[in-house]
Amino acid sequence: ELKVEQNPLFLSMQEGKNYTIYCNYSTTSDRLYWYRQDPGKSLESLFVLLSNGAVKQEGRLMASLDTKARLSTLHITAAVHDLSATYFCAVTSWNYGGSQGNLIFGKGTKLSVKP
Amino acid sequence: EPEVTQTPSHQVTQMGQEVILRCVPISNHLYFYWYRQILGQKVEFLVSFYNNEISEKSEIFDDQFSVERPDGSNFTLKIRSTKLEDSAMYFCASSEGGGGQPQHFGDGTRLSIL
Repeated sequence: ELKVEQNPLFLSMQEGKNYTIYCNYSTTSDRLYWYRQDPGKSLESLFVLLSNGAVKQEGRLMASLDTKARLSTLHITAAVHDLSATYFCAVTSWNYGGSQGNLIFGKGTKLSVKP
Repeated sequence: EPEVTQTPSHQVTQMGQEVILRCVPISNHLYFYWYRQILGQKVEFLVSFYNNEISEKSEIFDDQFSVERPDGSNFTLKIRSTKLEDSAMYFCASSEGGGGQPQHFGDGTRLSIL
């Protein structure tokens, strides 16, 4: 069974600081996703990481993937209040000849950036 | 930019009643999904649908649930005999291909069972 664990689950940061959210998953998966969710809203796709060593950056967020360690990180640089949201990582259970790629989500990291 | 649309945005229903949640996936997408999120918890996979049949379903998706693509555009989730614990946000998603292609999510339907 594919399991996804995120930590921390809650993160309170001051503006201007850096921090990293970690996402571990339990079995082989070659696609990892990061989503952002604002309260009461839908899931906004941030990054899709497709291969070992993949690194993607968008503004103050940078995501990386280490498939050997089964670990992805979401690094926040110089946080601003607008980044306050819940961040989910998700992996697919897809494998060759397997499923259609339904997403297995972590519990999410609720980020609060304070002035 | 094309988007997945869901209706209604909020549905309030008495326990034991049937509800139908509607979704219009992105037009050229072939794979459709339903997920749910109980308040404050993680997003959970319910079912995937391709070529007019269920591809996969989770343990949550029992006989109480069914999905249908009644026409070329809509994708529906029916919940029969609703229970209090069915209260959640239900998200529809679609993707152009399977095999882990990026999924695009709708804004969700908040289902409240009284």
